[in-house]
Amino acid sequence: EVQLVQSGPEVKKPGESLRISCEASGYTFSTYWITWVRQVPGKGLEWMGRIDPHDSDAAYSPSFQGHVSFSVDKSIDTAYLHLSSLKASDTAIYYCARHGVNIQFWPFWGQGTLVTVSS
Amino acid sequence: QTVVTQEPSFSVSPGGTATLTCGLTSGSVSSSNYPGWYRQAPGQAPRPLIFNSNTRSFGVPDRFSGSILGTKSVLTITGAQADDEGDYYCVVYTRSDFWVFGGGTKLTVL
Repeated sequence: EVQLVQSGPEVKKPGESLRISCEASGYTFSTYWITWVRQVPGKGLEWMGRIDPHDSDAAYSPSFQGHVSFSVDKSIDTAYLHLSSLKASDTAIYYCARHGVNIQFWPFWGQGTLVTVSS
Repeated sequence: QTVVTQEPSFSVSPGGTATLTCGLTSGSVSSSNYPGWYRQAPGQAPRPLIFNSNTRSFGVPDRFSGSILGTKSVLTITGAQADDEGDYYCVVYTRSDFWVFGGGTKLTVL
């Protein structure tokens, strides 16, 4: 069974940095891209970007370029979302999702990680 | 920058048909945008419904269908049920912005 398990909720202060993890199981981690999606509370979904675990090639939404980065650790089948210089507007739920054999599709999602940025 | 449009809300009667649309502020949605649809229940992660315009995801009943009509991607839900309520998001692919979600449609069944 494919599963994506994300790290727990975080509370951070403005200016701090954060790393969210997404641990994959039930499939060959390097085979499928991982995408990251943000959802501000009460708002819609926003595609942040994706990473290819095979070679760490990443593509970012122009809306998030420069403010976020992705990485993977293939030894533990885990993808990471890195957020720097946090602002209150970064308060959101962050989801990881695995692409399908058809890359235009995310059949599997993590449970989401709530990040609260507050002074 | 790509902007994807959806109805903010849609109401359908139980047993009725809901037709949710997904468009672009500039241009038309086509098969080359590989439109997809996701449903999100309150407090839950999104779940896939449709990809590549009209392909149902695993386990999605055939009451849900996707198509491209005119300039928009369309999600049709027939025989609406109370547990179909939730937020429905379309997503399209573009070469410039990669994947872009619409703002979502809140579906109410009453």
